[in-house]
Amino acid sequence: DSGVTQTPKHLITATGQRVTLRCSPRSGDLSVYWYQQSLDQGLQFLIQYYNGEERAKGNILERFSAQQFPDLHSELNLSSLELGDSALYFCASNRGHGYTFGSGTRLTVV
Amino acid sequence: TQLLEQSPQFLSIQEGENLTVYCNSSSVFSSLQWYRQEPGEGPVLLVTVVTGGEVKKLKRLTFQFGDARKDSSLHITAAQPGDTGLYLCAGGGATNKLIFGTGTLLAVQP
Repeated sequence: DSGVTQTPKHLITATGQRVTLRCSPRSGDLSVYWYQQSLDQGLQFLIQYYNGEERAKGNILERFSAQQFPDLHSELNLSSLELGDSALYFCASNRGHGYTFGSGTRLTVV
Repeated sequence: TQLLEQSPQFLSIQEGENLTVYCNSSSVFSSLQWYRQEPGEGPVLLVTVVTGGEVKKLKRLTFQFGDARKDSSLHITAAQPGDTGLYLCAGGGATNKLIFGTGTLLAVQP
């Protein structure tokens, strides 16, 4: 157990739907990073939050949004889903240089 | 856009062999990290290097950061089946956001 918790582990949904992925960072970590991993794109940075504030944005689509709550857990909302959004979604938190990743949410859009 | 290219993409070797994985970029990074990822799990941090020319050893694994802080290598001595996995390098900058490399999939056959 890395200390970073992601739910759900698997999600299957239809095109056009909206889903919410949840992440709880390791105790004491203020930052949350979201990444998307697909076979053809590798691990792509989506967005970073630090203590409730958006800190950095990467290749995140306008259909996707995220937020970090006062208890530091974060949610990634994916809407108007397309087949190409099928991927593994990871969150990570850190203290210093290294990231600690959760086990990911595998999203399948059918 | 910062890119990290890893080579080789795939490597299949016999137990006991040595191997080297390379991570190259045209950008300078303030830190370079290596992760190993197993199927169905998030990447796990192996090492962080921060000084140009730095060499770190972790049992049979040797990590080197290039003098110009643009490249890195991972050398595994006497590979074992337990070393099998996806190896990812990642470059860090000012915001702690990590850019991940393209990945090297290693299979060690018993």
